[in-house]
Amino acid sequence: EPEVTQTPSHQVTQMGQEVILRCVPISNHLYFYWYRQILGQKVEFLVSFYNNEISEKSEIFDDQFSVERPDGSNFTLKIRSTKLEDSAMYFCASSEGDRTYEQYFGPGTRLTVT
Amino acid sequence: DQQVKQNSPSLSVQEGRISILNCDYTNSMFDYFLWYKKYPAEGPTFLISISSIKDKNEDGRFTVFLNKSAKHLSLHIVPSQPGDSAVYFCAARANTGNQFYFGTGTSLTVIP
Repeated sequence: EPEVTQTPSHQVTQMGQEVILRCVPISNHLYFYWYRQILGQKVEFLVSFYNNEISEKSEIFDDQFSVERPDGSNFTLKIRSTKLEDSAMYFCASSEGDRTYEQYFGPGTRLTVT
Repeated sequence: DQQVKQNSPSLSVQEGRISILNCDYTNSMFDYFLWYKKYPAEGPTFLISISSIKDKNEDGRFTVFLNKSAKHLSLHIVPSQPGDSAVYFCAARANTGNQFYFGTGTSLTVIP
């Protein structure tokens, strides 16, 4: 069964450093998403991406964040200058279509900022 | 911002009995609701969904009920099995976009 994959599974970085989290969505899916879950808190939407552009973003997704689909398979989330409060589990998701389609989640990348 | 609430952080149920997980929401623009199941060290896995034009959707042992007037939905699992032990998230989407708003989750433990 096709699945969303994410690398790395765990990333440790120092405050102020740039990190890139990688995702490979399901191959025939057209919509891509990033969510995060701070430990003990709810899953929060960051951004959705369709047709090579951001279609929706939350207030969390500020200028420090960017997304890119550099080739036909990868979808990346970049945090330019990490802060301690960026420590969280980051989930990538993809869906075949918009609104009425379920989003399939990857296993997540745990980001630890020290 | 607590648009989706799951007021019970945990629930324990005996194997074979019914598990009922509850979710409340505040945004009347929500028109699509989903339940996700999450095991430790894994991403959320889609379980079942319901559109606001329905009040019930059933898939095997899982049934979701939607009460729009009360802004409440529930997930029934019957009979419960030990493999159902996981964290269950309720999620909702408004008719204006694609993002999901998640609840804080309910940790279900099914006791053999």
